[in-house]
Amino acid sequence: GAVVSQHPSRVICKSGTSVKIECRSLDFQATTMFWYRQFPKKSLMLMATSNEGSKATYEQGVEKDKFLINHASLTLSTLTVTSAHPEDSSFYICSARDSRANQPQHFGDGTRLSIL
Amino acid sequence: EDQVTQSPEALRLQEGESSSLNCSYTVSGLRGLFWYRQDPGKGPEFLFTLYSAGEEKEKERLKATLTKKESFLHITAPKPEDSATYLCAVQAAPGGGNKLTFGTGTQLKVEL
Repeated sequence: GAVVSQHPSRVICKSGTSVKIECRSLDFQATTMFWYRQFPKKSLMLMATSNEGSKATYEQGVEKDKFLINHASLTLSTLTVTSAHPEDSSFYICSARDSRANQPQHFGDGTRLSIL
Repeated sequence: EDQVTQSPEALRLQEGESSSLNCSYTVSGLRGLFWYRQDPGKGPEFLFTLYSAGEEKEKERLKATLTKKESFLHITAPKPEDSATYLCAVQAAPGGGNKLTFGTGTQLKVEL
């Protein structure tokens, strides 16, 4: 089945640090990838849609200069949390959708980000 | 604005005790309704896609159904390994792109 790999699975770092998270589709090509944030016992909140070869589309209220997204190839998207602060601590999950028609989004296993 | 409401918020079943989870949705036009399973500390795992009212899909002990306003995930004779949070999401059309709107999930616990 479709596999999405997300790395790292857990990051603990100091306030002010920038953190990069990678999302790879291992066995399919994805022109579109998605970045979500999930709070405890809450649903997934879409942050942005990552489009291969073009700028990401951010949801309302998400700072694009804070959460930098790059989608340089059909199998890799990265999310960089710049100058992270404790309020950025969360569970970040990526998903990728096979470029062929009528395919669902497949999710990575998430990154637990803790900012001290 | 697209909305997805799931109930109950939490459900505790005995092994073998069948039940149903509900997903009510409001969208301008439904392109697809998706069910996912999420284990603690993991990303959601895809289960089903439903496209039109009357459609049903089955996988092992799970069966998903769809009407014009809601979807049900029926769990028949559940086992402890079915314990997880079950998420429902909708994709709207037209103009929704590939964006999914998720409900808050039903946390299922199946006990021996």
